[in-house]
Amino acid sequence: QQQVKQSPQSLIVQKGGISIINCAYENTAFDYFPWYQQFPGKGPALLIAIRPDVSEKKEGRFTISFNKSAKQFSLHIMDSQPGDSATYFCAASKFDNDMRFGAGTRLTVKP
Amino acid sequence: NAGVTQTPKFQVLKTGQSMTLQCAQDMNHEYMSWYRQDPGMGLRLIHYSVGAGITDQGEVPNGYNVSRSTTEDFPLRLLSAAPSQTSVYFCASSYRGSSGNTIYFGEGSWLTVV
Repeated sequence: QQQVKQSPQSLIVQKGGISIINCAYENTAFDYFPWYQQFPGKGPALLIAIRPDVSEKKEGRFTISFNKSAKQFSLHIMDSQPGDSATYFCAASKFDNDMRFGAGTRLTVKP
Repeated sequence: NAGVTQTPKFQVLKTGQSMTLQCAQDMNHEYMSWYRQDPGMGLRLIHYSVGAGITDQGEVPNGYNVSRSTTEDFPLRLLSAAPSQTSVYFCASSYRGSSGNTIYFGEGSWLTVV
């Protein structure tokens, strides 16, 4: 039973558009919500993360929106670029290193 | 700074064979883990270790064994390979910062069991 549900499975966006990936979690004990980016043939790398005491975190073109009451969080990529084409994983953990990952979203940004 | 190093990168095994995936990190992290990545399943935790001499099971531990004799090394052993273990395996190390757990992944080991 997947504790973090991610959608969509794949996403195609035009260059300059906004990419939105959504995740929902079940365990209210989760208190750390990172997003990882993975390029083909490479391991995932931390992109951005948020704690539940804030509703939004922005780093450059990447923004996490967090809705604690709905147990949902999302990644927004503004002005999407072909170099953003990758697989994105949301994740959630308690403060004990046990990280649970979503199934991943394959993003393609068309030039 | 190498980070997390995994070997081998690619391996083909026959059903029933055993093998060890090697993992080493040079960041002095106490926490290390092994994940497998399968299409549509994300990353699933196999085993983890919170320090030398301490290991524990994750979500999908069956068929795998680990040991942690040093802080740097965390090998994953497949005891008797099965086709269901065909996957991409990622070793990771992490530290617990003030905001949460930052995980550093290796580049992956592609394993095919025939």
